[in-house]
Amino acid sequence: EVQLVESGGGLVQPGGALRLSCSASGFTFSSYAMNWVRQAPGKGLEYVSGISSNGRTTYYADSVKGRFTISRDNSKTTLDLQMSSLRPEDTALYYCVKDSVSVVRGVKSWFDPWGQGTLVTVSS
Amino acid sequence: QSVLPQPPSASGTPGQRVTISCSGSSSNIGGNTVNWYQQLPGTAPKLLIYNNDQRPSGVPDRFSGSKSGTSASLAISGLQSEDEADYYCAAWDDSLNAWVFGGGTKLTVL
Repeated sequence: EVQLVESGGGLVQPGGALRLSCSASGFTFSSYAMNWVRQAPGKGLEYVSGISSNGRTTYYADSVKGRFTISRDNSKTTLDLQMSSLRPEDTALYYCVKDSVSVVRGVKSWFDPWGQGTLVTVSS
Repeated sequence: QSVLPQPPSASGTPGQRVTISCSGSSSNIGGNTVNWYQQLPGTAPKLLIYNNDQRPSGVPDRFSGSKSGTSASLAISGLQSEDEADYYCAAWDDSLNAWVFGGGTKLTVL
């Protein structure tokens, strides 16, 4: 069974930093792209970032570009999201999501499954 | 304002058929496939439809997806109370170089 378990969320002050991690199991982690998607309280889904299976290609939403960095360790089957210069509008539940192909921009690709999420709150 | 506008709400009675629309442009839906995700209350999203009209194993055939031009639709027939959830469409956007989601549609079973 595929499992994605996020950790690292918490309360942080505006301008602060936080590192999220996602531990993956139940599939060949190194064969699939991985993504982060967030959901602000009571709001819809927003794509944050994605990374190819070999870690060489990354994508970011304009709203986080230059502030967030996605990375992965295929030997440890972990996905990370380093977040800095955090803003109140970054407050959200952050989901780790497995892609269906090895590249982020995959033709005919989809997200499945989703982790349970880790909550990030940016507030003073 | 979402890149992929969806109606914020939809409703129906048990047994009815409801459709949820998702509007896009040539840079997203017009040139790429559409996926639909179901988010039951208090849970993480789950893949419901992929590649416009394909159902993952375990998803009832009451759920169907379609795409035409720059728009997509999700249809749910034989509505059941357990279908009450938020539904999101998604597609890759070639201009933004990122995935984009619809704003979500909250389905209520009356």
